Amino acid sequence: SQTIHQWPATLVQPVGSPLSLECTVEGTSNPNLYWYRQAAGRGLQLLFYSVGIGQISSEVPQNLSASRPQDRQFILSSKKLLLSDSGFYLCAWEQGVTKEKLFFGSGTQLSVL
Amino acid sequence: GESVGLHLPTLSVQEGDNSIINCAYSNSASDYFIWYKQESGKGPQFIIDIRSNMDKRQGQRVTVLLNKTVKHLSLQIAATQPGDSAVYFCAENRPGGYQKVTFGTGTKLQVIP
Repeated sequence: SQTIHQWPATLVQPVGSPLSLECTVEGTSNPNLYWYRQAAGRGLQLLFYSVGIGQISSEVPQNLSASRPQDRQFILSSKKLLLSDSGFYLCAWEQGVTKEKLFFGSGTQLSVL
Repeated sequence: GESVGLHLPTLSVQEGDNSIINCAYSNSASDYFIWYKQESGKGPQFIIDIRSNMDKRQGQRVTVLLNKTVKHLSLQIAATQPGDSAVYFCAENRPGGYQKVTFGTGTKLQVIP
């Protein structure tokens, strides 16, 4: 069966520090991968999606970047965190051939202080 | 448009009653719709989906209704239980080169014991 792993679960970082959040998927190949951000009590905002290794599309201009070094690995990064980067970050995957539901990771709660 | 930035509406329901959560979607070309349940501090979980060639789909204790004429989606939960307390998101999937899912604002369901 397929599983998605996301870590860390919580992270407290000072303003100006770098960020690296990792997401891996097991039990499938060639998934489409997504990074979402969710502010407290709000909806989900799509940040990045990837349909293959090295292929990254950004949905909104921001202080963050994403990379996909391997088929089932998706990384969210920042060189210098801002206060506004705080939020709940979710990784998700779906089998990309036909439209199907997204499967979400457990999320990372990021607090930038 | 983007739903991020709006506060969550809340629906309070007595345990054992039926719940109806409504959602308006924006793009008449959307052809796949999904309902997700998100418990506090966790990633969203798939509940039920429906494609645009259907008006109704039933699962275990849940039913999704799709009205394409008025671009409206609803989730009905029968015999609501305390474990149903969560935030519920509808998502519309728009046609395109990749699966672009747009999430609604979300509705918080509170079950009163």
